[in-house]
Amino acid sequence: SYVLTQPPSVSVAPGKTARITCGGNNIGGKSVHWYQKKPGQAPLLVIYSDSDRPSGIPERFSGSNSGNTATLTISRVEAGDEADYYCQVWDSGRDRHVVFGGGTKVTVL
Amino acid sequence: QVQLVQSGAEVKKPGFSVKVSCKTSGYTFFGYYMHWVRQAPGQGLEWMGWIDPNSGATDYAQEFQGRVTMTRDTSLSTAFMELSRLRSDDTAVYYCARDEGLGELKFLMDVWGQGTRVTVSS
Repeated sequence: SYVLTQPPSVSVAPGKTARITCGGNNIGGKSVHWYQKKPGQAPLLVIYSDSDRPSGIPERFSGSNSGNTATLTISRVEAGDEADYYCQVWDSGRDRHVVFGGGTKVTVL
Repeated sequence: QVQLVQSGAEVKKPGFSVKVSCKTSGYTFFGYYMHWVRQAPGQGLEWMGWIDPNSGATDYAQEFQGRVTMTRDTSLSTAFMELSRLRSDDTAVYYCARDEGLGELKFLMDVWGQGTRVTVSS
């Protein structure tokens, strides 16, 4: 089955840029979505289809996808961005199922 | 506005079943597939499957096949997820999440329920 690999943690100072990677075999050929998950809250879609932002999501959140790596970038990081972030794709292989990455904890220093 | 409101927390003994509900409002229930996702303590998100509220068709992740049943009640605009033969490692928060596609599966979850905590303990 298809595997998505994320770093367990990323630390960033306020006002700086956080980059969260999501690795997968030829992930550039898939559509990648990103969710923000804070403790006690439901996941929130922050980027869909590689780089599109849902309404209400700040422009500070952006995404890219090429080759074997997709990236979520958070610019001008704020304390409120501290959360777990998950990438997600649809695996069109034999199982044809949803796959989540393992998640990345973003810590704002 | 679009809302998914889930049923309350459950405590179950191993071997028993749990049924979680997800009541929808603010949109056409028939038009959007519904996914179920869970998160065990300290773990990541895990996809369980989807249901087409229009036809009742389902597809389940291999890990749950034989134990999970997803249904819906169109008169109540509510989706249900039942997990049987519960084990301690089924302790998790279970979420329903609407698929963004209107009349089609996009495997993109744009609206989520608030979550239902299920604890499996003897």
